[in-house]
Amino acid sequence: DIQMTQSPSSLSASVGDRVTITCRASQSISSYLNWYQQKPGKAPKLLIYAASSLQSGVPSRFSGSGSGTDFTLTISSLQPEDFATYYCQQSYTTETFGPGTKVDIK
Amino acid sequence: EVQLVESGGGLVQPGGSLRLSCAASGFTFSSYWMSWVRQAPGKGLEWVANIKQDGSEKYYVDSVKGRFTISRDNAKNSLYLQMNSLRAEDTAVYYCARDWVTTDFKSAFDIWGQGTMVTVSS
Repeated sequence: DIQMTQSPSSLSASVGDRVTITCRASQSISSYLNWYQQKPGKAPKLLIYAASSLQSGVPSRFSGSGSGTDFTLTISSLQPEDFATYYCQQSYTTETFGPGTKVDIK
Repeated sequence: EVQLVESGGGLVQPGGSLRLSCAASGFTFSSYWMSWVRQAPGKGLEWVANIKQDGSEKYYVDSVKGRFTISRDNAKNSLYLQMNSLRAEDTAVYYCARDWVTTDFKSAFDIWGQGTMVTVSS
C-alpha cells in the first residue's frame, strides 16, 4: 500500500498569510493526488484534483503543485473561512489519505 | 441538486451487524463508481470500499475484508454497506462519496454525503 504523510500536522496562521502544506507519497504516484478541506462536523470538500487542477467553484487562492512523490497545497492569502483541516489523497492505487493538517488561527 | 444522503447508522454491540444506505440524486448514479469512506472520532479519513458502475468489481480496505460488503441498486439510485462482525475500531462516521474520473483518467471524490455515525460498543 502507498503511505501518505503530511507536514506540518498543524499550523497557526493569520488572515492574509500565505500557507503551504506538504504531502509526500511512499512511492511515485505521478499526479494522482487530490486535496480536500474539512471543517468540524462537515463532510470533506474537494479542492484540488490531479495535483494541480482547481475544482469548480473553489477560490483561486488555492493552488496545488508537484508530481512523483512530493506535493504542495498553497493558500495564497488565508481567509477566515479557510481555517480547517486539509487532507491529501492518492488515487494511483487503492485510495489512501494523508493524516491531515489542521490550520487554525494564530 | 447533486446530493448523497446516508442513513442506517446507530449503536450496535461488538459482533453485531448494520446496513448503511446512501441515496443519490441529481446525477446519473449508474455512470459512476461509488465509495464508502469513514472517519473515526477525532481521526483522519480512511477509504473503506468502492464499487464499479454495474457492481461487477468491488474493492475493500484490508481491515474490513470478509466482514463488510458493498453493493448498489442502480434502479433505486442507492449504495449500500453491509457491515457484519463489527468491532469497536469500526466506530466512525461513514460517508458515501462519488468517484469522479477526469478526462485523463485520474479520480477524486467530488461529491460527499453528510455522513452517518456508527458506534460499536457494549
